[in-house]
Amino acid sequence: RKEVEQDPGPFNVPEGATVAFNCTYSNSASQSFFWYRQDCRKEPKLLMSVYSSGNEDGRFTAQLNRASQYISLLIRDSKLSDSATYLCVTEGDSSYKLIFGSGTRLLVRP
Amino acid sequence: EAGVTQFPSHSVIEKGQTVTLRCDPISGHDNLYWYRRVMGKEIKFLLHFVKESKQDESGMPNNRFLAERTGGTYSTLKVQPAELEDSGVYFCASSQDRRLNTFGSGTRLTVV
Repeated sequence: RKEVEQDPGPFNVPEGATVAFNCTYSNSASQSFFWYRQDCRKEPKLLMSVYSSGNEDGRFTAQLNRASQYISLLIRDSKLSDSATYLCVTEGDSSYKLIFGSGTRLLVRP
Repeated sequence: EAGVTQFPSHSVIEKGQTVTLRCDPISGHDNLYWYRRVMGKEIKFLLHFVKESKQDESGMPNNRFLAERTGGTYSTLKVQPAELEDSGVYFCASSQDRRLNTFGSGTRLTVV
Protein backbone atom coordinates (compact mmCIF):
# COMPACT_ATOMS: atom_id res chain seq x y z
CA ARG A 1 0.00 0.00 0.00
CA LYS A 2 1.31 3.46 -0.90
CA GLU A 3 1.96 5.83 1.98
CA VAL A 4 0.04 8.62 0.27
CA GLU A 5 -2.77 7.79 -2.15
CA GLN A 6 -4.36 10.15 -4.61
CA ASP A 7 -6.82 9.82 -7.45
CA PRO A 8 -4.65 10.45 -10.53
CA GLY A 9 -7.51 12.10 -12.44
CA PRO A 10 -7.51 13.92 -14.72
CA PHE A 11 -10.19 16.22 -13.44
CA ASN A 12 -11.48 18.17 -16.44
CA VAL A 13 -13.50 21.19 -15.36
CA PRO A 14 -14.69 24.44 -16.97
CA GLU A 15 -13.37 27.81 -15.91
CA GLY A 16 -15.15 29.07 -12.84
CA ALA A 17 -15.93 25.61 -11.48
CA THR A 18 -15.19 24.42 -7.98
CA VAL A 19 -13.11 21.27 -7.75
CA ALA A 20 -11.99 19.18 -4.80
CA PHE A 21 -9.19 16.66 -4.42
CA ASN A 22 -8.72 14.22 -1.60
CA CYS A 23 -5.81 12.13 -0.56
CA THR A 24 -5.29 9.56 2.17
CA TYR A 25 -2.16 8.82 4.15
CA SER A 26 -1.17 5.69 6.02
CA ASN A 27 1.16 6.99 8.73
CA SER A 28 -1.03 8.04 11.63
CA ALA A 29 2.00 9.64 13.30
CA SER A 30 2.47 12.18 10.51
CA GLN A 31 2.34 15.74 11.80
CA SER A 32 2.91 17.87 8.73
CA PHE A 33 0.90 17.98 5.54
CA PHE A 34 1.22 19.99 2.37
CA TRP A 35 -0.16 20.50 -1.08
CA TYR A 36 2.39 21.07 -3.82
CA ARG A 37 1.69 22.07 -7.39
CA GLN A 38 3.71 20.75 -10.29
CA ASP A 39 3.44 22.08 -13.83
CA CYS A 40 4.41 19.87 -16.75
CA ARG A 41 8.17 19.22 -16.76
CA LYS A 42 8.71 21.65 -13.89
CA GLU A 43 9.67 21.28 -10.26
CA PRO A 44 7.10 20.90 -7.46
CA LYS A 45 6.23 24.15 -5.75
CA LEU A 46 4.65 24.51 -2.35
CA LEU A 47 1.04 25.60 -2.71
CA MET A 48 0.06 25.55 0.93
CA SER A 49 0.58 23.80 4.22
CA VAL A 50 -2.40 22.02 5.74
CA TYR A 51 -3.30 22.72 9.35
CA SER A 52 -5.57 20.77 11.65
CA SER A 53 -8.06 23.61 11.86
CA GLY A 54 -8.18 23.94 8.08
CA ASN A 55 -6.79 26.91 6.24
CA GLU A 56 -7.59 29.09 3.30
CA ASP A 57 -5.44 31.03 0.85
CA GLY A 58 -7.51 32.98 -1.62
CA ARG A 59 -9.41 30.51 -3.79
CA PHE A 60 -7.72 27.52 -2.17
CA THR A 61 -8.91 25.77 0.99
CA ALA A 62 -7.14 22.85 2.62
CA GLN A 63 -8.63 20.55 5.24
CA LEU A 64 -7.18 17.79 7.38
CA ASN A 65 -9.17 14.94 8.90
CA ARG A 66 -6.85 13.09 11.27
CA ALA A 67 -9.44 10.52 12.34
CA SER A 68 -9.92 9.36 8.76
CA GLN A 69 -6.36 10.20 7.70
CA TYR A 70 -7.29 12.23 4.71
CA ILE A 71 -6.45 15.65 3.38
CA SER A 72 -8.46 17.70 0.94
CA LEU A 73 -7.86 20.65 -1.35
CA LEU A 74 -10.73 22.77 -2.65
CA ILE A 75 -10.23 25.16 -5.51
CA ARG A 76 -12.98 27.71 -6.12
CA ASP A 77 -13.53 29.74 -9.30
CA SER A 78 -11.02 27.68 -11.29
CA LYS A 79 -8.72 29.55 -13.66
CA LEU A 80 -7.02 28.23 -16.77
CA SER A 81 -3.73 28.79 -14.96
CA ASP A 82 -4.77 26.30 -12.27
CA SER A 83 -4.17 23.47 -14.74
CA ALA A 84 -1.39 21.41 -13.20
CA THR A 85 -0.72 18.31 -11.13
CA TYR A 86 -1.48 18.67 -7.44
CA LEU A 87 0.71 16.64 -5.13
CA CYS A 88 -0.40 15.60 -1.66
CA VAL A 89 2.62 15.47 0.63
CA THR A 90 3.23 14.41 4.18
CA GLU A 91 6.30 13.68 6.21
CA GLY A 92 8.01 10.34 6.65
CA ASP A 93 9.55 8.78 9.73
CA SER A 94 12.04 11.61 9.72
CA SER A 95 10.44 15.01 9.99
CA TYR A 96 12.65 16.27 7.19
CA LYS A 97 11.67 13.57 4.71
CA LEU A 98 8.73 14.35 2.45
CA ILE A 99 6.44 11.58 1.23
CA PHE A 100 4.68 12.40 -2.02
CA GLY A 101 1.52 11.10 -3.53
CA SER A 102 1.60 10.43 -7.24
CA GLY A 103 -0.47 13.52 -7.93
CA THR A 104 -3.89 14.50 -9.24
CA ARG A 105 -4.00 16.12 -12.63
CA LEU A 106 -6.33 19.08 -13.13
CA LEU A 107 -7.31 20.45 -16.52
CA VAL A 108 -9.31 23.67 -16.58
CA ARG A 109 -10.92 24.33 -19.95
CA PRO A 110 -12.20 27.67 -21.32
CA GLU B 1 17.56 35.59 -4.26
CA ALA B 2 18.82 32.79 -6.49
CA GLY B 3 16.85 29.57 -6.23
CA VAL B 4 18.07 25.99 -6.12
CA THR B 5 20.15 25.36 -9.22
CA GLN B 6 20.69 21.97 -10.77
CA PHE B 7 23.07 20.99 -13.53
CA PRO B 8 22.77 19.54 -16.08
CA SER B 9 19.10 19.96 -16.93
CA HIS B 10 19.22 16.89 -19.16
CA SER B 11 21.64 14.00 -19.48
CA VAL B 12 21.55 11.04 -21.82
CA ILE B 13 24.10 8.33 -21.12
CA GLU B 14 24.64 4.72 -22.03
CA LYS B 15 24.12 1.90 -19.61
CA GLY B 16 27.32 1.31 -17.66
CA GLN B 17 28.54 4.89 -17.87
CA THR B 18 28.93 7.29 -14.98
CA VAL B 19 26.94 10.47 -14.49
CA THR B 20 27.34 13.19 -11.89
CA LEU B 21 24.51 15.55 -11.07
CA ARG B 22 25.12 18.80 -9.26
CA CYS B 23 22.92 20.86 -6.98
CA ASP B 24 23.57 24.36 -5.65
CA PRO B 25 21.16 25.08 -2.81
CA ILE B 26 19.86 28.48 -1.80
CA SER B 27 22.65 30.31 -0.02
CA GLY B 28 22.53 29.77 3.71
CA HIS B 29 20.28 26.70 3.59
CA ASP B 30 21.80 24.01 5.77
CA ASN B 31 19.36 21.31 4.66
CA LEU B 32 19.78 19.77 1.23
CA TYR B 33 17.74 16.91 -0.13
CA TRP B 34 17.78 14.69 -3.18
CA TYR B 35 14.58 13.21 -4.57
CA ARG B 36 13.81 11.43 -7.80
CA ARG B 37 10.80 10.56 -9.90
CA VAL B 38 10.99 7.56 -12.15
CA MET B 39 8.48 7.12 -14.97
CA GLY B 40 4.95 6.60 -13.75
CA LYS B 41 5.86 6.73 -10.08
CA GLU B 42 5.66 9.30 -7.32
CA ILE B 43 8.55 11.51 -6.26
CA LYS B 44 10.66 9.62 -3.74
CA PHE B 45 13.16 10.76 -1.15
CA LEU B 46 16.77 9.71 -1.64
CA LEU B 47 18.76 11.45 1.07
CA HIS B 48 19.14 14.46 3.34
CA PHE B 49 22.22 16.49 4.22
CA VAL B 50 22.56 18.87 7.10
CA LYS B 51 25.52 20.98 6.12
CA GLU B 52 28.13 18.46 5.01
CA SER B 53 26.75 15.52 7.02
CA LYS B 54 24.41 12.85 5.70
CA GLN B 55 21.46 12.90 8.04
CA ASP B 56 19.36 10.28 6.32
CA GLU B 57 20.27 8.23 3.27
CA SER B 58 17.57 5.61 3.68
CA GLY B 59 16.14 6.31 0.24
CA MET B 60 19.30 5.63 -1.74
CA PRO B 61 18.45 2.70 -4.04
CA ASN B 62 21.79 0.88 -3.91
CA ASN B 63 25.54 1.38 -3.70
CA ARG B 64 25.75 2.61 -7.29
CA PHE B 65 24.56 5.95 -5.97
CA LEU B 66 26.96 8.23 -4.11
CA ALA B 67 26.07 11.67 -2.79
CA GLU B 68 28.50 14.19 -1.39
CA ARG B 69 28.30 17.70 -0.06
CA THR B 70 31.81 18.95 0.41
CA GLY B 71 32.08 21.97 2.66
CA GLY B 72 28.36 22.04 3.19
CA THR B 73 27.69 24.03 0.06
CA TYR B 74 26.84 22.38 -3.26
CA SER B 75 26.10 18.68 -3.55
CA THR B 76 26.80 16.05 -6.17
CA LEU B 77 24.99 12.80 -6.85
CA LYS B 78 26.98 10.27 -8.81
CA VAL B 79 25.55 7.18 -10.43
CA GLN B 80 28.16 4.58 -11.32
CA PRO B 81 27.54 2.45 -13.30
CA ALA B 82 24.19 3.68 -14.55
CA GLU B 83 21.43 1.18 -15.27
CA LEU B 84 18.29 1.58 -17.37
CA GLU B 85 16.06 1.76 -14.29
CA ASP B 86 17.96 4.83 -13.09
CA SER B 87 16.21 6.93 -15.73
CA GLY B 88 14.01 9.62 -14.28
CA VAL B 89 14.01 13.16 -12.99
CA TYR B 90 16.32 13.92 -10.08
CA PHE B 91 15.25 16.86 -7.94
CA CYS B 92 17.30 18.67 -5.37
CA ALA B 93 15.68 20.78 -2.66
CA SER B 94 16.97 22.95 0.13
CA SER B 95 15.48 24.51 3.23
CA GLN B 96 16.12 26.19 6.51
CA ASP B 97 12.66 25.36 7.80
CA ARG B 98 11.32 21.89 6.98
CA ARG B 99 8.05 23.44 5.82
CA LEU B 100 9.71 25.58 3.19
CA ASN B 101 11.43 23.15 0.88
CA THR B 102 12.38 24.83 -2.36
CA PHE B 103 13.00 22.53 -5.26
CA GLY B 104 15.35 22.93 -8.17
CA SER B 105 14.07 22.40 -11.69
CA GLY B 106 15.54 18.91 -11.79
CA THR B 107 17.89 16.89 -13.94
CA ARG B 108 16.21 14.61 -16.44
CA LEU B 109 18.41 11.51 -16.73
CA THR B 110 17.93 9.05 -19.54
CA VAL B 111 19.96 5.84 -19.56
CA VAL B 112 19.94 4.04 -22.91
